[in-house]
Amino acid sequence: AQSVTQPDIHITVSEGASLELRCNYSYGATPYLFWYVQSPGQGLQLLLKYFSGDTLVQGIKGFEAEFKRSQSSFNLRKPSVHWSDAAEYFCAVGAGPSSGANNLFFGTGTRLTVIP
Amino acid sequence: KAGVTQTPRYLIKTRGQQVTLSCSPISGHRSVSWYQQTPGQGLQFLFEYFSETQRNKGNFPGRFSGRQFSNSRSEMNVSTLELGDSALYLCASSFSANTEAFFGQGTRLTVV
Repeated sequence: AQSVTQPDIHITVSEGASLELRCNYSYGATPYLFWYVQSPGQGLQLLLKYFSGDTLVQGIKGFEAEFKRSQSSFNLRKPSVHWSDAAEYFCAVGAGPSSGANNLFFGTGTRLTVIP
Repeated sequence: KAGVTQTPRYLIKTRGQQVTLSCSPISGHRSVSWYQQTPGQGLQFLFEYFSETQRNKGNFPGRFSGRQFSNSRSEMNVSTLELGDSALYLCASSFSANTEAFFGQGTRLTVV
């Protein structure tokens, strides 16, 4: 069964500083991996996805993530954080190309606070 | 292109009642999934519909049900509401299997 671990519940960074949010997954086959962002009371916005190919993927709002199969990780990074990036970030794993299923398993989320 | 639309945005119901939530997917998308989000359990998958058929189901009691219409719009129903059903219910739309999911704004259900 799939599972996702986001070890950091809450991270605080200064505006302009770099950011890395950690995500580890468990899945027996080739996974699909996603990062979503959620502002308070809102739905989830897709930041980026990894299906196959280049292990460094670029997303919206200047975010990128790197898939490392050997470490079962898919960490999210941003070189310079803006105050508007303050939100909750969720890593998710999908069942991959062989399953035919479309359900996602989410981590517990990391809340990002940005201080001026 | 319009995004995923969920109605209503907010709902207050009494224990024992039933509720129906609606989701209109992105035009051309045939897969609709539903998720429950609570502070204690996080984001949990309820079920997925594709071309009017339930293709996948999460670990929720039978009080939670859904359906999908020929225009891909979906509804989920919760019967005999319990206090613990209070949550943000999110609908996600996908073009097909194994493609990215786009989420709506959610319906905030409060059971009193």
